[in-house]
Amino acid sequence: DAKTTQPNSMESNEEEPVHLPCNHSTISGTDYIHWYRQLPSQGPEYVIHGLTSNVNNRMASLAIAEDRKSSTLILHRATLRDAAVYYCILMENYGQNFVFGPGTRLSVLP
Amino acid sequence: NAGVTQTPKFQVLKTGQSMTLQCAQDMNHNSMYWYRQDPGMGLRLIYYSASEGTTDKGEVPNGYNVSRLNKREFSLRLESAAPSQTSVYFCASSEVGDTFMGEQYFGPGTRLTVT
Repeated sequence: DAKTTQPNSMESNEEEPVHLPCNHSTISGTDYIHWYRQLPSQGPEYVIHGLTSNVNNRMASLAIAEDRKSSTLILHRATLRDAAVYYCILMENYGQNFVFGPGTRLSVLP
Repeated sequence: NAGVTQTPKFQVLKTGQSMTLQCAQDMNHNSMYWYRQDPGMGLRLIYYSASEGTTDKGEVPNGYNVSRLNKREFSLRLESAAPSQTSVYFCASSEVGDTFMGEQYFGPGTRLTVT
């Protein structure tokens, strides 16, 4: 399975934008980029996914580099509720096997 | 909709005891998964079931068995619990197809301690 690399931790101030980076230099052409987050004492929850084009949804935006070797999850206005561990995961098309790395622990300061 | 439910929420076992963790989903998903999460780590896939009647090993299957009882239910059994199986166990379900790309929905987890 292709691997991803993320910073261990990041900090943000409340109501400011947050850019969470992910490197995936060995991504293959059919791998989708998924982001999940895990709030304290909860199961992970889906945030967003994409293949080549940038994606937006109500939770976040996903910016994918032109060569697809990296991506950035963008939270437009961080809230205290966004404090969580964020996982960047590669999934093969129709694949079943997610590989979760250690993720990035995001702290949001009031 | 309840989504994905897991029972029990907490369990303490002695080494060598057996138990079954239950998982059910009401989203009519074909695929279901069992993960474990050790402290400070990401999730690791134990087993998954791509559809009713099929199961496949994930990254860490040793010491576990699974049963896909029907489309809704996917259970995880520890036949002889060991302290190394102390972890939080998450069940998930997803739909994969032309319009779904495997977004997984997770249950709240079962915190298991083996002494």
